Amino acid sequence: DSGVTQTPKHLITATGQRVTLRCSPRSGDLSVYWYQQSLDQGLQFLIQYYNGEERAKGNILERFSAQQFPDLHSELNLSSLELGDSALYFCASSVDANYGYTFGSGTRLTVV
Amino acid sequence: GENVEQHPSTLSVQEGDSAVIKCTYSDSASNYFPWYKQELGKRPQLIIDIRSNVGEKKDQRIAVTLNKTAKHFSLHITETQPEDSAVYFCAASNMYSGGGADGLTFGKGTHLIIQP
Repeated sequence: DSGVTQTPKHLITATGQRVTLRCSPRSGDLSVYWYQQSLDQGLQFLIQYYNGEERAKGNILERFSAQQFPDLHSELNLSSLELGDSALYFCASSVDANYGYTFGSGTRLTVV
Repeated sequence: GENVEQHPSTLSVQEGDSAVIKCTYSDSASNYFPWYKQELGKRPQLIIDIRSNVGEKKDQRIAVTLNKTAKHFSLHITETQPEDSAVYFCAASNMYSGGGADGLTFGKGTHLIIQP
């Protein structure tokens, strides 16, 4: 157990739907990062939050959004889902940007 | 933005031999270079990292070297064992004071196969 908790582990949904992925960082970690892993695109950085504030944005689609709550857990919202959104979504956390990231076990999203 | 190239995409070595995976990066502002190991169906796990003020770092059978001038860094695994079989990812990031950072930019990964 890495200490980073992601729920759910698996999610199957239809095109056009909206889902929410949840991440609880390790105790004491202030930074949360979201990554998408697909076979053809590898690990793609989506977005980072630090202590409740958005700090950096990567290749995140406009249909996707995220937030970090006062208790530091984070949610990634994916809407108007397309078949190509099927992927593993990882959350990672770190104490701050000067320390290595610890990844959660991921949420496998399948859009049918 | 940052671009990280990783080679080779697949590497097969005999058990006990050494394995070397190479990465290049494009952004001279990048100053943090971690390596992750990912076994099938599992999460990426940090195995070693290096910062731009260091040229080499070693941890038992694993070492990483960094050449800032050439913008490349490499992972060296010696005395390979079957449990080293996995996909290895290099990454680069610009970490700055105050807790912020650009997100890690990952290479495409190297599938390391250890032949018995």
